[in-house]
Amino acid sequence: GNSVTQMEGPVTLSEEAFLTINCTYTATGYPSLFWYVQYPGEGLQLLLKATKADDKGSNKGFEATYRKETTSFHLEKGSVQVSDSAVYFCALSDLGSTLTFGKGTMLLVSP
Amino acid sequence: NAGVTQTPKFQVLKTGQSMTLQCAQDMNHEYMSWYRQDPGMGLRLIHYSVGAGITDQGEVPNGYNVSRSTTEDFPLRLLSAAPSQTSVYFCASSYSQGKNEKLFFGSGTQLSVL
Repeated sequence: GNSVTQMEGPVTLSEEAFLTINCTYTATGYPSLFWYVQYPGEGLQLLLKATKADDKGSNKGFEATYRKETTSFHLEKGSVQVSDSAVYFCALSDLGSTLTFGKGTMLLVSP
Repeated sequence: NAGVTQTPKFQVLKTGQSMTLQCAQDMNHEYMSWYRQDPGMGLRLIHYSVGAGITDQGEVPNGYNVSRSTTEDFPLRLLSAAPSQTSVYFCASSYSQGKNEKLFFGSGTQLSVL
């Protein structure tokens, strides 16, 4: 079956630091990959997505590249802000299946 | 646009009580779903629907019922609440179940069962 594994948090960074959150996946087909973000007290919202191998999704300074050879979709940002503090979820979707989420990684950014 | 609306935001129940969590969307989405979020467990799918009159079980369906009589509404019923159902519940919808579709989430219902 499909599964998503994310690095455990919390990830604690100072403002303007470089961010990487690792995500690897297992899928039987050719899935689409997503990063969702959950700000405190809110529901999840889509941050970015990639639908095929070597695609790069990007939004709000975040980016992730769909790497089929390493089955990975790591999230990166060059310079984080306090307002980026949230929980980040990696997810995959395949034909005929429902969306599968990782367990989430909390990011804490201090001034 | 309201998007996905969930009510109530907070609820406290006693063991054995029943209640319905409401979810409505105004985007004419065919696909709707319910998740629960627990610490260290991420999001787990309870039930989902690909259209009016069609529902199916997700990963953790026991203790929950759903129905989909209209495109807009997808209520989640707890028949006899148990402390293990203490969680945050999210309703989500998308245009279809296609693999490239973006899910839109409600703001959640925090449920405590005593």
